Amino acid sequence: DAGITQSPRHKVTETGTPVTLRCHQTENHRYMYWYRQDPGHGLRLIHYSYGVKDTDKGEVSDGYSVSRSKTEDFLLTLESATSSQTSVYFCAIKGSYNEQFFGPGTRLTVL
Amino acid sequence: QQQVKQSPQSLIVQKGGISIINCAYENTAFDYFPWYQQFPGKGPALLIAIRPDVSEKKEGRFTISFNKSAKQFSLHIMDSQPGDSATYFCAAASRDDKIIFGKGTRLHILP
Repeated sequence: DAGITQSPRHKVTETGTPVTLRCHQTENHRYMYWYRQDPGHGLRLIHYSYGVKDTDKGEVSDGYSVSRSKTEDFLLTLESATSSQTSVYFCAIKGSYNEQFFGPGTRLTVL
Repeated sequence: QQQVKQSPQSLIVQKGGISIINCAYENTAFDYFPWYQQFPGKGPALLIAIRPDVSEKKEGRFTISFNKSAKQFSLHIMDSQPGDSATYFCAAASRDDKIIFGKGTRLHILP
């Protein structure tokens, strides 16, 4: 699992509430990514980071923000959760050869 | 041009048979082609990967065939086993750290 943990692993929340998901890595990787996975859509990139305080948008960034204040932690925030953000969220890090290694995922349900 | 098209969406194979999943890409800047295996409730795990300077890579029962001129690559699972039942994703990555995933193939091996 490349030393990646995600928390929480499951969360149920209500529409309009803020939600923060955490990704933690122990191997000092520079690049970190947030994806969401939905049936029929595969894995879609939300945001990624290429260093502390360096982030960029992915394919489906609307409604999400990220922060990376230290190498090991990459936070994904839903400022005001909507039902369309119900999904499984995966964090990933980039290895030496441009491959990516994924965390165990967070299942988020927005009621 | 950034898409990776994966087929079939689902596949059923008898135990001992050969499972074949195909992917096609358009962007010639891609230079790394990994395959991921995902079991229910788990994150995608890197299975096998290939670079375009070789036409085939084999690891155990898993083989990637790569056709650079056709911009296609495929995963072959020989002697398929029930434990291989999972969702498989192909991907294509380029030197600018972008990686694009196919939408996945759900494989079921009949016992």
